[in-house]
Amino acid sequence: AQSVAQPEDQVNVAEGNPLTVKCTYSVSGNPYLFWYVQYPNRGLQFLLKYITGDNLVKGSYGFEAEFNKSQTSFHLKKPSALVSDSALYFCAVRDPAGGSYIPTFGRGTSLIVHP
Amino acid sequence: DTGVSQDPRHKITKRGQNVTFRCDPISEHNRLYWYRQTLGQGPEFLTYFQNEAQLEKSRLLSDRFSAERPKGSFSTLEIQRTEQGDSAMYLCASSSTGTGGFTEAFFGQGTRLTVV
Repeated sequence: AQSVAQPEDQVNVAEGNPLTVKCTYSVSGNPYLFWYVQYPNRGLQFLLKYITGDNLVKGSYGFEAEFNKSQTSFHLKKPSALVSDSALYFCAVRDPAGGSYIPTFGRGTSLIVHP
Repeated sequence: DTGVSQDPRHKITKRGQNVTFRCDPISEHNRLYWYRQTLGQGPEFLTYFQNEAQLEKSRLLSDRFSAERPKGSFSTLEIQRTEQGDSAMYLCASSSTGTGGFTEAFFGQGTRLTVV
């Protein structure tokens, strides 16, 4: 079975500082990993994905994420946070070896960027 | 606009009534998903279509819930005899097969259901 965990309900960071939002996963094979962002009363917007290849993937709005197979992690990062980055962030995983086409989402992490 | 479209955006209904939501996926996408999201939680999978075939259903999807995707285009999600516990945001997403067999899912704005 595939699962994903976001250990922090909330992350607080000052504007201009680097940010990290953590995600760990569990799959039987090699994972497909995704990050999404959700603003209030809106749907989820795709940020970036890891399917294969370079462990560091770059996405929208200056975000990047690093795939670490040994630690089963896919943390979201940004070198310099903006107040406008404040939102809910969701990590998702899909296990192709498991035979399902359904991404499983984490509970989400609320990112608050203080001016 | 070529994104995923959901209608209505908001629905308030009395307990016991039936409701139906519609999702129009991105036109070239053959895969369509329904998720439910409650406050403080991530999206929970409900059901999945590939073209017109409903291939997976979650155990969350009780017999009061039914979904269709006629002709592999738009989809509808119906909830019969609504209960207060059905109050949630219902999200639709679509994706295509893409290179390597999968691309990311794109989400609609959601339909917020309130059962009173």
